[in-house]
Amino acid sequence: QVHLVESGGGLVKPGGSLRLSCAASGFTFSDYYMSWIRQAPGKGLEWVSCIGSSGRTIYYADTVKGRFTISRDNAKTSLYLEMNSLRAEDTAVYYCARDPGEPRNFDYWGQGTLVTVSS
Amino acid sequence: SYELTQPLSVSVALGQTAKITCGGNNIGSKNVHWYQQKPGQAPVLVIYRDTMRPSGIPERFSGSNSGNTATLTIITAQAGDEADYYCQVWDSSTAAVFGGGTKVTVL
Repeated sequence: QVHLVESGGGLVKPGGSLRLSCAASGFTFSDYYMSWIRQAPGKGLEWVSCIGSSGRTIYYADTVKGRFTISRDNAKTSLYLEMNSLRAEDTAVYYCARDPGEPRNFDYWGQGTLVTVSS
Repeated sequence: SYELTQPLSVSVALGQTAKITCGGNNIGSKNVHWYQQKPGQAPVLVIYRDTMRPSGIPERFSGSNSGNTATLTIITAQAGDEADYYCQVWDSSTAAVFGGGTKVTVL
């Protein structure tokens, strides 16, 4: 069965950096788009970024463009999110999710990893 | 940028029908997807492409989409349906967009 496990979250100071990872199993990882979606404490869902199956197609939300970088390693069936210049408003649970393609949606989600940006 | 509007909360009596709306400009021309999120858990896809149910989702969940409003309907509501529900579309200019979420309470 499809399994997505995020890791790498933690406490970081404003202006700091963090790298999130998502280990995927149970499906052919290289066939799927993948996304990062976040949820601030007590708030709704916010899409962050997605990457195409080969890694050539990438989209970012305006709120993270220029600060976050999404990447993937199909050989390791892993998805990554490099986060720089972190702000308090980036504090959230970060989920990785599988995107089965058109029409674009998120059919499987990991359990999330908490990122806290605070001094 | 494209925006989706959901009511903050919907209440439904046990065994009755709940309707959760998702408003957006000409949303009927887009594919709408719905997610259920229970406290402390990751979201689960319950409806995709307006009306389709993933395997394992009860037939009590259905969707519709027309004009400026998409609707998620839950018939014969159960206590286990209490959750936050989010609609989502993919927009060519904004990429993935989520509604603000609706908290469903079963009375």
